[in-house]
Amino acid sequence: NAGVMQNPRHLVRRRGQEARLRCSPMKGHSHVYWYRQLPEEGLKFMVYLQKENIIDESGMPKERFSAEFPKEGPSILRIQQVVRGDSAAYFCASSPLPAGDYNEQFFGPGTRLTVL
Amino acid sequence: RKEVEQDPGPFNVPEGATVAFNCTYSNSASQSFFWYRQDCRKEPKLLMSVYSSGNEDGRFTAQLNRASQYISLLIRDSKLSDSATYLCVVSSGGSYIPTFGRGTSLIVHP
Repeated sequence: NAGVMQNPRHLVRRRGQEARLRCSPMKGHSHVYWYRQLPEEGLKFMVYLQKENIIDESGMPKERFSAEFPKEGPSILRIQQVVRGDSAAYFCASSPLPAGDYNEQFFGPGTRLTVL
Repeated sequence: RKEVEQDPGPFNVPEGATVAFNCTYSNSASQSFFWYRQDCRKEPKLLMSVYSSGNEDGRFTAQLNRASQYISLLIRDSKLSDSATYLCVVSSGGSYIPTFGRGTSLIVHP
């Protein structure tokens, strides 16, 4: 059973470009979480999705950021018009049930975004 | 006050030492507690869940103190391979959004 997959692993963008980060959850997992981690900082929650639904996006910046988890295919985190402050590691985690209630989250290897 | 607080360290210990980390949480309604381990530039991985009765897995022991609102992680007989950042994770009742602490860095040296 393959683990959580994320691609690309490394992404370099110039200011103003768009970044698309992909996450394929583990087989059988319908709950996907996106987190951002800045150097020397903890994981910050961004958005929680189930198939075709955004459950909670309270951690997502109001502008330029969007996420989706379509019926078919991976979850996508999209960042429009990237700025240098968007440079970070973006981790996706999946679980068969909602996180909490002692349900473990399984993390992908992350995408390291560098904005030049 | 931050929701989940950890001493960032680093904790620098020799091989074979016993080391303990604490993590405090502010929401008294918190119900699920975990320790994750994160190696440098890698993804977090679950180390152990922390139950009310406490739990032990080999050299690792986790405890929960609800009255004082903290969880702890004890590592006995430290190995070089234990060097990593240990993340405290707390979920509140009714919330599906876990809160991660900033992590405590452990460096085990020969």
